[in-house]
Amino acid sequence: QVQLQESGPGLVKPSETLSLTCTVSGGSISSGDYYWSWIRQHPGKGLEWIGYIYYSGSTYYNPSLKSRVIISLDTSKNQFSLKLNSVTAADTAVYYCARERYKRLDPWGQGTLVTVS
Amino acid sequence: QSALTQPASVSGSPGQSITISCTGTSSDVAGYNYVSWYQQHPGKAPKLMIYDVSNRPSGVSNRFSGSKSGNTASLTISGLQAEDEADYYCNSYTSSSTLLFGGGTKLTVL
Repeated sequence: QVQLQESGPGLVKPSETLSLTCTVSGGSISSGDYYWSWIRQHPGKGLEWIGYIYYSGSTYYNPSLKSRVIISLDTSKNQFSLKLNSVTAADTAVYYCARERYKRLDPWGQGTLVTVS
Repeated sequence: QSALTQPASVSGSPGQSITISCTGTSSDVAGYNYVSWYQQHPGKAPKLMIYDVSNRPSGVSNRFSGSKSGNTASLTISGLQAEDEADYYCNSYTSSSTLLFGGGTKLTVL
């Protein structure tokens, strides 16, 4: 079964770029059946969809984050990545990666906390 | 895009049924049958419970059901159990080809 695992720095300085990677195991990221998503959750708050990428490289982003976000694929490593630039304390959150098919997100990674300070 | 509207909290006793609503607009909930529901226990990743308004993934209890009327989707949990206590989030596809979450509902089993 497919599993996803987030990785990256847990602490980022303000104004710098947050970079996270999601490693996919048990399935190919190049499959045309899926989109690959990033979602975040501010401490004690609800879920916020960040964006997703298709195997072709097509991307869709949350309009509120679009100017600062890039999601990319590395098919050779079976990974996809998130870059969020010009971060502030408001970007402190648990970041999740997930597989999306037919508009449903399943499965999810365990999540990784990123603190901007 | 504003989050879909969910009640902040609901509660029920074991064995009872509860319903959580999720209100959107014609550009999301009303426009597509792509509403999904996620359960999240504290410190855990969300889990898909309902997709395409009313379908259950394999392994999800049939005590969970979903429906939609106009711009409001609903999640009903029947025969409440202590393990159902969690946060629940709705999600909808939108006319901008994006996904949009609800604000989340905390379910307390009394």
